Amino acid sequence: AQKITQTQPGMFVQEKEAVTLDCTYDTSDQSYGLFWYKQPSSGEMIFLIYQGSYDEQNATEGRYSLNFQKARKSANLVISASQLGDSAMYFCAMRDTGSARQLTFGSGTQLTVLP
Amino acid sequence: DSGVTQTPKHLITATGQRVTLRCSPRSGDLSVYWYQQSLDQGLQFLIQYYNGEERAKGNILERFSAQQFPDLHSELNLSSLELGDSALYFCASSVGGGPVQETQYFGPGTRLLVL
Repeated sequence: AQKITQTQPGMFVQEKEAVTLDCTYDTSDQSYGLFWYKQPSSGEMIFLIYQGSYDEQNATEGRYSLNFQKARKSANLVISASQLGDSAMYFCAMRDTGSARQLTFGSGTQLTVLP
Repeated sequence: DSGVTQTPKHLITATGQRVTLRCSPRSGDLSVYWYQQSLDQGLQFLIQYYNGEERAKGNILERFSAQQFPDLHSELNLSSLELGDSALYFCASSVGGGPVQETQYFGPGTRLLVL
């Protein structure tokens, strides 16, 4: 069964600095997708970035980039130039052909940006 | 704003009662997914519908049921409610329902409190 592990329950970063949120995954499939979502205190789930297992380049979306290391089965989210509004819970999720349809989520990392 | 709408935003009810949560997917999306987020279980997939038909089932209790209507909106029915059903219920939608790279966009959630 697929599994997502986020080992950092909480992280602190100074405003304007970069931060890396860790995510490792486990799947026996060759084809899979990795997603990061942000959940602010208001509760909604906001899609941030996607990386496909066959993508050769690391995904980037504005200040978000994904450090994808396939052999190590890791898909770390890098947020550059942190802003106070980045304070939120961040979830890594995966979808593979075995799971058929659903996203499997990690336990999340609570990021706090300090002024 | 993801384009996915959910009503109501908050719901307070008593044990043993039945409630209905409603979701409208993004325009053009055929798939609807329901997820439950609780403190002890994290984010869990409940069920998926694609163009009116059930496509996949996750950890959905027998007391819970869902359907997707011809206009593609979906309802999640929760009956014989227990204290442990208190959670944030998300609806997500995607264009299709198959490819691993397809992004799911989440609604704002319905926060259910069972007293």
